[in-house]
Amino acid sequence: EAAVTQSPRNKVAVTGGKVTLSCNQTNNHNNMYWYRQDTGHGLRLIHYSYGAGSTEKGDIPDGYKASRPSQENFSLILELATPSQTSVYFCASGDLGGYAEQFFGPGTRLTVL
Amino acid sequence: GQQVQQSPASLVLQEGENAELQCNFSTSLNSMQWFYQRPGGSLVSLFYNPSGTKHSGRLTSTTVIKERRSSLHISSSQTTDSGTYLCALERYNAGAKLTFGGGTRLTVRP
Repeated sequence: EAAVTQSPRNKVAVTGGKVTLSCNQTNNHNNMYWYRQDTGHGLRLIHYSYGAGSTEKGDIPDGYKASRPSQENFSLILELATPSQTSVYFCASGDLGGYAEQFFGPGTRLTVL
Repeated sequence: GQQVQQSPASLVLQEGENAELQCNFSTSLNSMQWFYQRPGGSLVSLFYNPSGTKHSGRLTSTTVIKERRSSLHISSSQTTDSGTYLCALERYNAGAKLTFGGGTRLTVRP
């Protein structure tokens, strides 16, 4: 089973500040994903990547950037954080589609004041 | 409209009772994945099921593509089964992206 870790686990940021959420996976999966989970909206895909150097927009990319510098690492960047980005963020990894099971990290709870 | 609909939204059982959770989808899929999530916790993959029936202990997942539905059966429920169960559709020809249902919140009382 893939090991996916996230840092930080909790973060408090100020409006307008820059926030970087990091994700690392150790099972050599090609695909990595960033989701956010909100009450009433469930889990929604923000950005994803098919491999080092690639990033793709998901269903709700506005206000977020992503970076995939290596096979193992995938970052989510909030250049100008807003209170509406307060949420729980999950990173996941999986092999190339189709038929690619995804494995999730423990989540990062972000509060933007 | 929503591509993935889960029912029921919430369910309360007495320990030992069985549960049937449903997931209906309106689009073509590669596979259906079922997750378990404790409050404040991460998602634990229970099943990855493109079609047919899979078993794991007291859990059974059945995906019927023609009928556009997937189900998760929990037999002899235990208090430790309490939490939220999520289904996620891996969209066909969409690069292994998942679309999640709204979840079923299960409470098992002793």
